Amino acid sequence: GDSVTQMEGPVTLSEEAFLTINCTYTATGYPSLFWYVQYPGEGLQLLLKATKADDKGSNKGFEATYRKETTSFHLEKGSVQVSDSAVYFCALISPTNAGKSTFGDGTTLTVKP
Amino acid sequence: GAGVSQSPSNKVTEKGKDVELRCDPISGHTALYWYRQRLGQGLEFLIYFQGNSAPDKSGLPSDRFSAERTGESVSTLTIQRTQQEDSAVYLCASSLAGTGVQPQHFGDGTRLSIL
Repeated sequence: GDSVTQMEGPVTLSEEAFLTINCTYTATGYPSLFWYVQYPGEGLQLLLKATKADDKGSNKGFEATYRKETTSFHLEKGSVQVSDSAVYFCALISPTNAGKSTFGDGTTLTVKP
Repeated sequence: GAGVSQSPSNKVTEKGKDVELRCDPISGHTALYWYRQRLGQGLEFLIYFQGNSAPDKSGLPSDRFSAERTGESVSTLTIQRTQQEDSAVYLCASSLAGTGVQPQHFGDGTRLSIL
């Protein structure tokens, strides 16, 4: 079945540090890939997405590139801010799986001033 | 426009009671999903509706859990004879259906606490 594996957290960085959160997946066919973010006390929000190989999703300074050859979708940001502190979830939707999303376990990021 | 709305936002109940959680999806979204998120954990898929049919019920953890959806509108998740292990945040999401693969839009969840 489909699966998503995320880098284990928690991750603690200083403001302006470089961020990478690793995500790899296993899926049937060619899934679409997503990063969702959950800020403290809030619901999940879509952060970015990529629907085919070599696509780069980007939003709010975050980027992730769909790498089919390594089945990865790592999230990166060049300079994090305190306001980026949140839980980040990598997810996929496989067209062969009736649209069901498969989520990773989430990575908690804390950015300190 | 209005997002996915869930009610109640918080529910505290005694073990053994039945609870009903409600989800109003974004208008026009034909796909609707329920997930469970235990404290500090990821999302656990429960059930998926396409319109008012449920092609995938594989995630329902036991026969105490059931869900219904009226047309392409409101959905209710019912948990009967609640147990303490049912304590979690229950999240609903909706998305456009179609040939493409659409991201899901999440509600703020219902925080369920079983005493």
